[in-house]
Amino acid sequence: DTGVSQDPRHKITKRGQNVTFRCDPISEHNRLYWYRQTLGQGPEFLTYFQNEAQLEKSRLLSDRFSAERPKGSFSTLEIQRTEQGDSAMYLCASSFESGNEKLFFGSGTQLSVL
Amino acid sequence: GQNIDQPTEMTATEGAIVQINCTYQTSGFNGLFWYQQHAGEAPTFLSYNVLDGLEEKGRFSSFLSRSKGYSYLLLKELQMKDSASYLCAVRGRTDSWGKLQFGAGTQVVVTP
Repeated sequence: DTGVSQDPRHKITKRGQNVTFRCDPISEHNRLYWYRQTLGQGPEFLTYFQNEAQLEKSRLLSDRFSAERPKGSFSTLEIQRTEQGDSAMYLCASSFESGNEKLFFGSGTQLSVL
Repeated sequence: GQNIDQPTEMTATEGAIVQINCTYQTSGFNGLFWYQQHAGEAPTFLSYNVLDGLEEKGRFSSFLSRSKGYSYLLLKELQMKDSASYLCAVRGRTDSWGKLQFGAGTQVVVTP
């Protein structure tokens, strides 16, 4: 069990560019989540998948954001036409469907939009 | 909507006890979590409460009162490595199983 891994750890981009992040969850976990965290704040929910189905999407997620989990394993989060306000830590988490459903987080991708 | 409140920062000395309070207002309730997050690292799970009362796990304990919308995390025998942000998170409606509402976190500073 290697935990939840995210790639890249850091991404610097210019405003208007597209970026894509990858998340590999813990292998036996069927649920995967994306959260966003800015400095001094707690994580904010963006979206989650059960297997390959995207079951909920936050209103925070504008049309410029899209997430996929095509085979129910790894997931990608794409941001199109990045804006400076997109600068944040993007956290991925996974869990196994159970009673307490605790989330295991990855170390995140720190995005800086210049 | 949901509102999660916790203090911004607390300072305590090594070996002491610190209690971090969390109050919440949610539309329905289905569990409260505490996570620890060191700077630049992933949040890590500490505790889960869904029924009223105290859950003890080593040096860390968490308490929940659903009628008061209140929880606390108690850290005993503080160590320098406990310096971190502590996040309170609530799961609201049961049809949003994957969605946690987090507070802004309490930065705990442990001094020698």
